[in-house]
Amino acid sequence: GAGVSQSPSNKVTEKGKDVELRCDPISGHTALYWYRQSLGQGLEFLIYFQGNSAPDKSGLPSDRFSAERTGGSVSTLTIQRTQQEDSAVYLCASSYRQGTSNTEAFFGQGTRLTVV
Amino acid sequence: GENVEQHPSTLSVQEGDSAVIKCTYSDSASNYFPWYKQELGKRPQLIIDIRSNVGEKKDQRIAVTLNKTAKHFSLHITETQPEDSAVYFCAEVDSSYKLIFGSGTRLLVRP
Repeated sequence: GAGVSQSPSNKVTEKGKDVELRCDPISGHTALYWYRQSLGQGLEFLIYFQGNSAPDKSGLPSDRFSAERTGGSVSTLTIQRTQQEDSAVYLCASSYRQGTSNTEAFFGQGTRLTVV
Repeated sequence: GENVEQHPSTLSVQEGDSAVIKCTYSDSASNYFPWYKQELGKRPQLIIDIRSNVGEKKDQRIAVTLNKTAKHFSLHITETQPEDSAVYFCAEVDSSYKLIFGSGTRLLVRP
């Protein structure tokens, strides 16, 4: 595909259930980011993958959150035992690193998660 | 840790006036500073970026300036139009190549 693709677009889940959010980055992009955006708020950094390096997990808000990136491409963000405060739009972005600098990051359309 | 501070949080201007949004960063090794625009209900999209080897960049009504010594950069929008109304985010790519965003500025252009 031409852009970053996220699925599902919307997810409603019951409190306490686990959810998986998927991100398909642009082919060839080495960097992949996950952000969380609550209604009317900013882009909260969650986790960053760069090539084969260990991911930067410094933004994950609790141990209920985890993410993996298989084969340097598709990424899955997993939230265990969801809570109402997890309700937000989860955005994925990817970019390509050239030398010592990254190029433009492109965002997916996001997954709107609602925990009821 | 890494931090990007963005001001103001909201900005209201009259159509045709200029708008300026300012950001500061803390990592002196940061070398790439993009600006994103997010319209209501849509994904953020890049509008302009600047690398650390230049001090200013322009694209039609939009310009960005960078002061590496002071570690701040600014977005300037001239001749504002109602369609410029959106949330604008500054960002930096830090020394670990992580993309960090400011808190956002909600710009309202009054017709």
